[in-house]
Amino acid sequence: NAGVTQTPKFQVLKTGQSMTLQCAQDMNHNSMYWYRQDPGMGLRLIYYSASEGTTDKGEVPNGYNVSRLNKREFSLRLESAAPSQTSVYFCASSDRGRQPQHFGDGTRLSIL
Amino acid sequence: TQLLEQSPQFLSIQEGENLTVYCNSSSVFSSLQWYRQEPGEGPVLLVTVVTGGEVKKLKRLTFQFGDARKDSSLHITAAQPGDTGLYLCAGAGGDYKLSFGAGTTVTVRA
Repeated sequence: NAGVTQTPKFQVLKTGQSMTLQCAQDMNHNSMYWYRQDPGMGLRLIYYSASEGTTDKGEVPNGYNVSRLNKREFSLRLESAAPSQTSVYFCASSDRGRQPQHFGDGTRLSIL
Repeated sequence: TQLLEQSPQFLSIQEGENLTVYCNSSSVFSSLQWYRQEPGEGPVLLVTVVTGGEVKKLKRLTFQFGDARKDSSLHITAAQPGDTGLYLCAGAGGDYKLSFGAGTTVTVRA
């Protein structure tokens, strides 16, 4: 029972490179989310998808794009990575909005 | 600016002691969730409180939701080293999003 799977687990990029973080859930959840977690700042929402076919900006969307590929998969793309995007990125899913969210184990991204 | 303010930011106690973590906001939430996160892992849901004034117990953990649904607390009785982790509160408003607090790092020393 995998739940929410994120790939890769670790990545180092150079400034200006592009990268796509992958997320897949096997719980048949409708809603999916991308967060970043930085020390002392908790989890900040980047983008979310309330249901298949829809995406919306969260609190910190600048520099990111997302694709809800199907009900299971929600990817996050950094088009031109910047050092300020060094963070731990978490994907989450829930059955419906406001319901408890299930998180993956994160992608640790360093941008030099 | 965090919509939810958690205090304290860090807490270090001896095994067997009690501790309380607070989560406060000026906003009203339809429900409030508490998560625990261990190093290298994602947050895991502990409990959801929905009704103002609600108290929920989960073994040695007691969760309260304020009467006005703006604040919550987590109390741990006789803490154990296994309780060590980052505790996060998250409020659900009128849309599909949760607002997370910055978290409280709890360390229980053996």
